[in-house]
Amino acid sequence: GDSVTQMEGPVTLSEEAFLTINCTYTATGYPSLFWYVQYPGEGLQLLLKATKADDKGSNKGFEATYRKETTSFHLEKGSVQVSDSAVYFCALHDSWGKLQFGAGTQVVVTP
Amino acid sequence: EAEVAQSPRYKITEKSQAVAFWCDPISGHATLYWYRQILGQGPELLVQFQDESVVDDSQLPKDRFSAERLKGVDSTLKIQPAELGDSAMYLCASRKRRQGGEDEQFFGPGTRLTVL
Repeated sequence: GDSVTQMEGPVTLSEEAFLTINCTYTATGYPSLFWYVQYPGEGLQLLLKATKADDKGSNKGFEATYRKETTSFHLEKGSVQVSDSAVYFCALHDSWGKLQFGAGTQVVVTP
Repeated sequence: EAEVAQSPRYKITEKSQAVAFWCDPISGHATLYWYRQILGQGPELLVQFQDESVVDDSQLPKDRFSAERLKGVDSTLKIQPAELGDSAMYLCASRKRRQGGEDEQFFGPGTRLTVL
């Protein structure tokens, strides 16, 4: 079945550092891909998405490009802030509206 | 801005007791989901409703879990009896469309269940 694999955390960075979180997927067909963020004590929020190959999703300085050839959707941000500390989930969306999530990557940004 | 509401936010119970969680999706959203998120893992779908009908409950432990969405609006998830392994965050989400398409799922804040 469809699945998502993302890098384990925690990822600890200093403020203004470059962030990359790797995500790869296995799926039949070409699913839509998402990054969700979960701040402490809160539910999940959609961060960005891409619906087809070579699409780039972007939001709040974060970017991810749908790479069909490598089945990847890595999340990047050029300069992180303390407020970016959260857990980030990569997910794919099948044609029936079902989301498959990765295990999540905790990001800790220190001042 | 419309939000998915869940209550309670926190629930502590003893094993073998019954617990119930409530979710009110965004108005007009046809599809409602209940997810379970064990600490350190991603959410896993328990049940999906389209209006008042269950369309996917393949991962719902039916011997102890039940879910309903009687009028196709709000929903209740029940566990009876609760077990220690049920300790987790229970998330509710909704989306506007019934099936297909790429529209976003909106998540509620979750109910954190602790079973002692």
